[in-house]
Amino acid sequence: DMQLTQSPSFLSASVGDRVSISCRASHGISSYLAWYKQEPGKAPKLLIYAASTLQSGVPSRFSGSGSGTEFTLTISSLQPEDFATYYCQHLNSYPPGFGQGTRLEIK
Amino acid sequence: QVQLVQSGAEVKKPGASVKVSCKASGYTFTSYDINWVRQATGQGLEWVGWINPNRNKAGNAQKFQGRVTMTRNTSISTAYMELSSLSSDDTAVYYCARGRQHDGDYDYDYNGMDVWGQGTAVTVSS
Repeated sequence: DMQLTQSPSFLSASVGDRVSISCRASHGISSYLAWYKQEPGKAPKLLIYAASTLQSGVPSRFSGSGSGTEFTLTISSLQPEDFATYYCQHLNSYPPGFGQGTRLEIK
Repeated sequence: QVQLVQSGAEVKKPGASVKVSCKASGYTFTSYDINWVRQATGQGLEWVGWINPNRNKAGNAQKFQGRVTMTRNTSISTAYMELSSLSSDDTAVYYCARGRQHDGDYDYDYNGMDVWGQGTAVTVSS
């Protein structure tokens, strides 16, 4: 099965910071990658699909890039509501597995 | 509005089965896959399986092979996930999520899971 490795696993940052989260696939997946945000006690929320396409309603401070095996989620200016856990997911084959998650906390 | 509403929390004994429902509204139920994803407390997301409600075709992660069954009732726009031979390792919140869109035999690009249910807590305890 495809493996996704996110880094870092934990990230501490301040409101207004620019942060990036990496997701590396064990083999090439073209642009078949999605990013999700999950707040404690809530269901995940789709942020980005096709590696770089912003889901409707998601703020433009979120962006995604990459293709093949290396992908990045960037938040340009952190807002208080952005402190959560972020997951990547590959969509090119079954099972559509997730990365292990990156927990973003307030410094 | 488009939404998925899941059944309530369950407490089961080891060895029992659990069946979770996911009722769709606000869109054409048979036009999108339904996926099932679970999350143990403090852990990450784990994909369990999927069903294409139109074709009644389903699949699941290898680790659940023989234990999980995905079904649907199109007349009430509801998908079901049944997990048998429960153990404490199955204690988790189970989510349903809308997945790939289809139009008859045409499959759109898989653009992620864009609508999620609220989650159903399943506790397995003796």
